[in-house]
Formats: sequence, C-alpha cells, structure tokens
Amino acid sequence: GAGVSQSPRYKVAKRGQDVALRCDPISGHVSLFWYQQALGQGPEFLTYFQNEAQLDKSGLPSDRFFAERPEGSVSTLKIQRTQQEDSAVYLCASSSSRAPSSYNEQFFGPGTRLTVL
Amino acid sequence: AQKVTQAQTEISVVEKEDVTLDCVYETRDTTYYLFWYKQPPSGELVFLIRRNSFDEQNEISGRYSWNFQKSTSSFNFTITASQVVDSAVYFCALSSNQAGTALIFGKGTTLSVSS
Repeated sequence: GAGVSQSPRYKVAKRGQDVALRCDPISGHVSLFWYQQALGQGPEFLTYFQNEAQLDKSGLPSDRFFAERPEGSVSTLKIQRTQQEDSAVYLCASSSSRAPSSYNEQFFGPGTRLTVL
Repeated sequence: AQKVTQAQTEISVVEKEDVTLDCVYETRDTTYYLFWYKQPPSGELVFLIRRNSFDEQNEISGRYSWNFQKSTSSFNFTITASQVVDSAVYFCALSSNQAGTALIFGKGTTLSVSS
C-alpha cells in the first residue's frame, strides 16, 4: 500500500506568513507523529496524535505551532507568523501501534522543507 | 536524561570496504528500545532495526549487522562490503518510558561510499 505522504514537499515563506503542512499517514495507522529536522541534525519530536486526540504536544517550540488531526487520519501542522528559525524539514510519521510511546516502528514521510526568508 | 550520541559526523569509504557506525545512548530506564534509521537523499527515514533492552543478541541481516552492548551503552551498526547505494545519513534513536512519546535521535552519521 501507499506510504506516508506529505505536501507540499517544498515551501518558501516570507517572514511573518502563516504556513500549513499536510500529512497523509498510512491508512489505518492510529498513531501519528510530527518531527522537526534542522539542517545537519537529527529529527526532534514535536507532537503526537492517537487517532484524533493530541496526546503529547510537549515538543512544539512555541504557541505559533499548532497541529490538528480532526478525523483521525490526515494531519495538518500550522505555523503562524513564521520566523527564520522555523526553517527546517518537517517530518511526519505514522505507526499502527496504539501505545502512547515510540516503542514500535514508525513509518516516515519524505518531509516538507520549509524555508523562511 | 535521554540522549543518543553519534560521534562520527561523516565517514567516507570505498566500495567493498566494511564500515562501522557508532551509537552510544544514555537512559536511566531499564526498559527501552533502540533503532537505526537510514535517510537517503530523498529525505524519508527508512527503518532498519529495532532492539529492546532485554535482547542483547547481535543481529545480522544480509550485509548489515548490529552489535548491542549494554555494558558500554552502545548499539553499533556495521555494513559489510559497502556499496554506493549505502550512501545516506544514518540515525540511531532511543525510545523509553522517560522519553514518553518522543523518539530521541542522534545527530546522524553521513556515510559516503565511492566506487
């Protein structure tokens, strides 16, 4: 079946603009994760959904970051009033596990590369 | 604190050489999982292996092998007879109760295999 898909693949925003990044997880996957990957770094956890419930948002760097998954499938990560330090690759991952942990394999999408000018 | 250290930033080898990627982790949990992921230029992370803290058996999968040693908190990854297609960034990651839902990644090792 299809893997995790993300759109757009590339996004250029002017400082201060709002952006919305979309993630389509693998069909039927209960768990969905968002990560931020700065250049030359490993991915860093942002937030976790189990179905439509956002169970962990401890990694969101500021209140300008907001994520939702209203119907328990597609998720959107929104960044308001973008800043240059928001420039990074945003990765989405899904897992079939219901456990609120990262013990099980996560399937990653190709990411959205956000550049804030 | 939960932490993963990949001290090797970049490694360059010639095809058919063996190469070992180092990973050292820190956690106070007794139950935890360790992972290796590969990130090719296309960007998506590809799962390679998961190992739980109670299973110290080394594992071999084709040209890949993993050496888990709790005594040194290391989970090293060896590629035998490397190929150009192995060129990628490799990440070691840790999951534990203390880390909650977060998968803790190292900074990655960039492997370049030339022909």
